[in-house]
Amino acid sequence: EAGVAQSPRYKIIEKRQSVAFWCNPISGHATLYWYQQILGQGPKLLIQFQNNGVVDDSQLPKDRFSAERLKGVDSTLKIQPAKLEDSAVYLCASSFTGQGIAETQYFGPGTRLLVL
Amino acid sequence: GNSVTQMEGPVTLSEEAFLTINCTYTATGYPSLFWYVQYPGEGLQLLLKATKADDKGSNKGFEATYRKETTSFHLEKGSVQVSDSAVYFCASHTGTASKLTFGTGTRLQVTL
Repeated sequence: EAGVAQSPRYKIIEKRQSVAFWCNPISGHATLYWYQQILGQGPKLLIQFQNNGVVDDSQLPKDRFSAERLKGVDSTLKIQPAKLEDSAVYLCASSFTGQGIAETQYFGPGTRLLVL
Repeated sequence: GNSVTQMEGPVTLSEEAFLTINCTYTATGYPSLFWYVQYPGEGLQLLLKATKADDKGSNKGFEATYRKETTSFHLEKGSVQVSDSAVYFCASHTGTASKLTFGTGTRLQVTL
């Protein structure tokens, strides 16, 4: 079974530029998550999709971050304009239903972003 | 709100040593608890989980017991190997929060 795919793996941009990350979840998984992991910290949920609808985006900085999941499969996360503090690893995860409290989330390898 | 506190690393052990990584949680409800592991260059993988008090999760020689009285979920392994070198994350999940709350991670380095 193929895992969660993410691209690119690494990205270096200058502040005020824009950047986009792509995620392809495990086939058949209804729920998709984007996490931000700043160096030395645990992952923090940015947004959760159930199929193509948003379940939770309470920690997404909506003035600069946006995300979409067209057709309930792939997803893109965009930052525009980027700030220095956005330097982090962006993790995508998926789960089968998103309903159970002990349901396993499967993580991709992440995209490491450096903003100069 | 929910929070998870882990012991700070790095933890450096010799091969075959006993491992304990402490994890405590605060939650408004009765969370499920998880340990995720992140090997170098890879994404997070679920290591083990427990859904209610006194449950013991186990996998690959690692164990953790859900202790409601001490709000803890400490990770243990009797004999670590070099291949266990990774970053370990404790996490909690409650139905009302519907999201994972992670600790800051503990880096384990095992040497020969």
